[in-house]
Amino acid sequence: SQTIHQWPATLVQPVGSPLSLECTVEGTSNPNLYWYRQAAGRGLQLLFYSIGIDQISSEVPQNLSASRPQDRQFILSSKKLLLSDSGFYLCAARDRGPHGYTFGSGTRLTVV
Amino acid sequence: DQQVKQNSPSLSVQEGRISILNCDYTNSMFDYFLWYKKYPAEGPTFLISISSIKDKNEDGRFTVFLNKSAKHLSLHIVPSQPGDSAVYFCAANYGGSQGNLIFGKGTKLSVKP
Repeated sequence: SQTIHQWPATLVQPVGSPLSLECTVEGTSNPNLYWYRQAAGRGLQLLFYSIGIDQISSEVPQNLSASRPQDRQFILSSKKLLLSDSGFYLCAARDRGPHGYTFGSGTRLTVV
Repeated sequence: DQQVKQNSPSLSVQEGRISILNCDYTNSMFDYFLWYKKYPAEGPTFLISISSIKDKNEDGRFTVFLNKSAKHLSLHIVPSQPGDSAVYFCAANYGGSQGNLIFGKGTKLSVKP
């Protein structure tokens, strides 16, 4: 079975600072990868997904970008954070079985 | 336009009773459906799924029912336990085993002792 490693678990960043969140996947190859955000009291919003190295699709226009430099590495970035970027960020990988996605443990980002 | 809707943002149930969480969808091309459970500050975890060709799937205390004509599915938890208190997300899959999931907004279940 696959495992998603996501770090850091919590992050407090000032407005205007850069961001880099990393996600790595073990136990599978060439997975579809996803970045989601859950804002306070809201559902899961799909931000980006990737079907392969350097292949990124953006679901919503925003202040964030994603990159996939290696098969099992997915990075979420921002050059200048906004207050509205605060939220709980989740990385996920498509499961080849019936479980849909496997999610990482998430990163709580607070922009101050 | 939301293709997967969970119209109840929250549900409160007494321990030992049945919890019923509902989900509606609009796209008849979805090929299977899933429920995920999420605790605060953790990622969602898979709970149970059902193929679009089935109408019921059971796993221990958890049963999912699918009504294709009504485009409705429900998750039944019997008996409910305090540890079941979490946010439950309904998801629908399109595109087969490498497709994407569409999630509902979640229902927060509180099971009171």
